[in-house]
Amino acid sequence: QKEVEQNSGPLSVPEGAIASLNCTYSDRGSQSFFWYRQYSGKSPELIMFIYSNGDKEDGRFTAQLNKASQYVSLLIRDSQPSDSATYLCAVIRNTGNQFYFGTGTSLTVIP
Amino acid sequence: DAGITQSPRHKVTETGTPVTLRCHQTENHRYMYWYRQDPGHGLRLIHYSYGVKDTDKGEVSDGYSVSRSKTEDFLLTLESATSSQTSVYFCAIRAGLGEKLFFGSGTQLSVL
Repeated sequence: QKEVEQNSGPLSVPEGAIASLNCTYSDRGSQSFFWYRQYSGKSPELIMFIYSNGDKEDGRFTAQLNKASQYVSLLIRDSQPSDSATYLCAVIRNTGNQFYFGTGTSLTVIP
Repeated sequence: DAGITQSPRHKVTETGTPVTLRCHQTENHRYMYWYRQDPGHGLRLIHYSYGVKDTDKGEVSDGYSVSRSKTEDFLLTLESATSSQTSVYFCAIRAGLGEKLFFGSGTQLSVL
């Protein structure tokens, strides 16, 4: 079983819509959760992190964490063509130093 | 770029040759990581370091070795490169409130 699983997509949404990206993780001991955005040919860029159950909002981005169900989601409101990228979910365990990444979800925002 | 420099940015080499990739940081962060990224596999950890001369293996460490003789430099060596090691290699440091990962620009390695 993979540590982190994401739907690879591709996910397409029209400009201005809400994009919803999901991620599940296998280790209940995971403590910290991250969303990275990666444009083609570039390195991953941190856009959100969350540690506690519930929602965390930053501008157009909202991260949602549900530890009981072991899932993390990222909502992008008012999606823009510039949001077109691959989004990577990452987790770190309570007892470790290793960050585990999902394979990423490709998002395309259609003008 | 969180003060991380990877070199070289691109490398083409032949099967069986040794290759060393360098990651340099300017901010004295304790933790440094080497990942490889391949289509369909995402980012996979090769090795990481938690201090000078302190390193540990990740999930895909076979065929790779690392060294960290100074806080600022973390070297990844492919002792005898194989075609399966063709990949994009990213160095990362762990920093900031909550200990987040920040990535370098990456090295595209092609083993022919």
